[in-house]
Amino acid sequence: EAGVAQSPRYKIIEKRQSVAFWCNPISGHATLYWYQQILGQGPKLLIQFQNNGVVDDSQLPKDRFSAERLKGVDSTLKIQPAKLEDSAVYLCATSSANVLTFGAGSRLTVL
Amino acid sequence: QKEVEQNSGPLSVPEGAIASLNCTYSDRGSQSFFWYRQYSGKSPELIMFIYSNGDKEDGRFTAQLNKASQYVSLLIRDSQPSDSATYLCAVSLPSGGSYIPTFGRGTSLIVHP
Repeated sequence: EAGVAQSPRYKIIEKRQSVAFWCNPISGHATLYWYQQILGQGPKLLIQFQNNGVVDDSQLPKDRFSAERLKGVDSTLKIQPAKLEDSAVYLCATSSANVLTFGAGSRLTVL
Repeated sequence: QKEVEQNSGPLSVPEGAIASLNCTYSDRGSQSFFWYRQYSGKSPELIMFIYSNGDKEDGRFTAQLNKASQYVSLLIRDSQPSDSATYLCAVSLPSGGSYIPTFGRGTSLIVHP
C-alpha cells in the first residue's frame, strides 16, 4: 500500500508570513493526525481527525493554526501568522488498529 | 497533566550488549503502548506494541508492560550500531471518550563498536 504523502518537504518563511502543509493519508485509514516535533523533543499532537470530524484539538494554537480534512481524505494544516517558535517538523500520520504510520514530514524554518 | 516520561539520554552501550529503555505514564486508564524508532532526520517507525501486562518478544526486541506501576520498557538484545537512534515511547491516553496517542520526548541510544 502507498504510504502517507506530505508536501512540501521543506519550507523557509519569515515570521508573520503564512504557510500551509498538505497530507494525503493511506487509503482507507479513517484517523489522521498532525504532530509538531521540535528538535530534541517528542512529537506533540496538534489535531486528530476521525474521517472529517475533529476528535481532539486541545493543543492546537487556534489563534494561528488551523486544520481541515476535506471529505475525510486529504488534510491541510495552516499557520498564519508564523512565529519563530513554530520552527519544527510537522508530521502527518494515519492509523490502523492504533498503530501510527507517519509521512516523511514537512520541515518548517521561520526566520 | 497527562504525560509520558522518558529519560532523554543518551544511553551508550557497546555492540552486543543489552540496551534497556524505560518509560512511565501518568494515566491508569491508558490502553495501548508503543515503541517507535526515529533515525536522525527521519520519521518515527513502529518497532513494537503491547497491550497486556507482561513481556512481548519480537526478534531482538522485548517490550515489557507493568500497568500497576505504570511502566513500560523496551529491551534490545545483541545491540548493533544500526540500532543507534532515538526511541520514542507512545501511550494511548484516554481523553474525552477517545484515546490520544501521546509521545514521550524520546531516549537517544548510541551503540558503539
